[in-house]
Amino acid sequence: GAGVSQSPSNKVTEKGKDVELRCDPISGHTALYWYRQSLGQGLEFLIYFQGNSAPDKSGLPSDRFSAERTGGSVSTLTIQRTQQEDSAVYLCASSSRPGYYNEQFFGPGTRLTVL
Amino acid sequence: AQSVAQPEDQVNVAEGNPLTVKCTYSVSGNPYLFWYVQYPNRGLQFLLKYITGDNLVKGSYGFEAEFNKSQTSFHLKKPSALVSDSALYFCAVRENTGTASKLTFGTGTRLQVTL
Repeated sequence: GAGVSQSPSNKVTEKGKDVELRCDPISGHTALYWYRQSLGQGLEFLIYFQGNSAPDKSGLPSDRFSAERTGGSVSTLTIQRTQQEDSAVYLCASSSRPGYYNEQFFGPGTRLTVL
Repeated sequence: AQSVAQPEDQVNVAEGNPLTVKCTYSVSGNPYLFWYVQYPNRGLQFLLKYITGDNLVKGSYGFEAEFNKSQTSFHLKKPSALVSDSALYFCAVRENTGTASKLTFGTGTRLQVTL
């Protein structure tokens, strides 16, 4: 079956511009996660959605970052007024319920470069 | 707070030799532990997990990991390494509270298998 997909695969933008990154989770998966992977570093948790519950936004690094999940499926991560330090690979993952002991399935990521 | 440590940035092994990639964790209660592998320009792939039960967990591609509660470790092992195992390996932990769903990842260990 289809895995987690993300678009675009690569995004180059200028400092100060807004960007939107999209994630399509595996059909039927109710949990969706966003992570950021910077060069030479591990994965940094950003935000987590579970069903209709309020999202866990505790990992968002600043108020320039926001995410939404429409209809319990597709999610969009938005970065406003991008900065060079936002350059990273943004990974999306999904898992089935209950999410806390099920493994997460990752998408291929979006490589964001802020010039 | 939960945390994971991968003390080695890189592990070098000759093909055919056994390999070990180290991971130690810290949680308040009982842990759920995961290993993921990332091949170049790819998303993370799930290898194996420890939830409960046998301390030796077997996973994909011949990998296994041993949960050691007294040493708070979950080292990844393989009896005979292949060149194709060369990749970036991440250990992750989630605390078993029944509600927490955020995975905390280590910084990753690069495995290099040579002929």
